[in-house]
Amino acid sequence: QVQLQESGPGLVKPSETLSLTCHVSGVSITNYYWSWIRQPPGKGLEWIGNVYHSGNANYNPSLKSRVTFSVDTGKKEVTLKMTSLTAADTAVYYCARVVAEGFDPWGQGTLVTVSS
Amino acid sequence: QSVLTQPPSVSGAPGQRVIIPCTGTSSNFGAGYDVHWYQQVPATPPKLLIYGTTNRPSGVPDRFSGSKSGTSASLAITGLQTEDEADYYCQSYDASLRGWVFGGGTKLTVL
Repeated sequence: QVQLQESGPGLVKPSETLSLTCHVSGVSITNYYWSWIRQPPGKGLEWIGNVYHSGNANYNPSLKSRVTFSVDTGKKEVTLKMTSLTAADTAVYYCARVVAEGFDPWGQGTLVTVSS
Repeated sequence: QSVLTQPPSVSGAPGQRVIIPCTGTSSNFGAGYDVHWYQQVPATPPKLLIYGTTNRPSGVPDRFSGSKSGTSASLAITGLQTEDEADYYCQSYDASLRGWVFGGGTKLTVL
């Protein structure tokens, strides 16, 4: 079955750049768009953006200036980079497969805390 | 402020039927885009519950159903069970924002 596993640093200092990786298994990474979604502690879900293996991507307008995606088909990995982090970026970050404009499945998520 | 509007909480007794509404706009539901629903049990990732407005993925009980009319959508849960206690999120595509949007989430309490 499709499995997604996020990984990242856990703790990042303000103003630094975050890099997260999502490893995809059980399906060809080239057949789907892949999404990043985040959830601040105790709050709702926020779509960050989607990316295809070709590099074609869609971004949340509110985050577009700080976010870039990449896909490594050989490693079966999708990467999110977010610059100029602040405390407001503290959240659980999920990757998910895009299916018919919805998201399924989701990874377990990785908590990113922005703090000095 | 979420683009899609959900009540913060709903509740019901075991065996009852509850409805979770999700209000959109002319640029998402009103433009014909589907609604999708997710169930999130605390400390776990969201799970797709309903896709394409009315469809259930394999393994989701038929106690869960979805509908949409105009700029409003809803999730209905019949025969409420204690295991249904979770947060529920609606989601769609918004043509004006050119992106995917979520509701703020509704916490379902089974009394």
